[in-house]
Amino acid sequence: DIQMTQSPSTLSASVGDRVTITCRASQSISSWLAWYQQKPGKAPKLLIYKASNLESGVPSRFSGSGSGTEFTLTISSLQPDDFATYYCQQYKSYPFTFGQGTKLEIK
Amino acid sequence: QLQLQESGPGLVKPSETLSLTCTVSGGSISSSSYYWGWIRQPPGKGLEWIGSIYYSGGTYYNPSLKSRVTISVDTSKNQFSLKLNSVTAADTAVYYCASHLLRFLELCYFDHWGQGTLVTVSS
Repeated sequence: DIQMTQSPSTLSASVGDRVTITCRASQSISSWLAWYQQKPGKAPKLLIYKASNLESGVPSRFSGSGSGTEFTLTISSLQPDDFATYYCQQYKSYPFTFGQGTKLEIK
Repeated sequence: QLQLQESGPGLVKPSETLSLTCTVSGGSISSSSYYWGWIRQPPGKGLEWIGSIYYSGGTYYNPSLKSRVTISVDTSKNQFSLKLNSVTAADTAVYYCASHLLRFLELCYFDHWGQGTLVTVSS
């Protein structure tokens, strides 16, 4: 199985900050990576697919980059609605695996 | 816009079978663009893919659960279902159904999710 490791596990930031979350794969997954946002008690929501493609309707302050084994999710200017947990997911090979999550907290 | 809704018992006894159904609306489960998947999330923990099914019945399962999982589809009802047998407390989780995008014959990401349903395994 491909292991996905996110860092940090928790991130404290303020409204207006630029934040970056990292996701590392245990082997190359090319660009076959998605990012999701999950709020408490809610289902995950797709933000980005194929490492850098923004899902329709997702604000442009979200962006993704990377390929191979290292990927980043960047929020350019944090808004109050962005405080949530973020997960990466690889779809290079079965079984599909997720990172352990990064909780973005208000500082 | 696809919508998915899970249904089923919220409490299952140890050693019994967990059964959930996902009803798809706003689109056809017979779409050639999707598989239909199940993902679970134990309380306070991360996400685990369980398996996915095509409308014709083709399936992919997570090897870690494969011996206990069956996913089936009912195209007449626009539904697909999950059965997980011999459950233990470790199977307590929120179970999500989701549309699993199929692109160029490769399974990709999950672009629409149900709201999730908590299943507790306890006597």
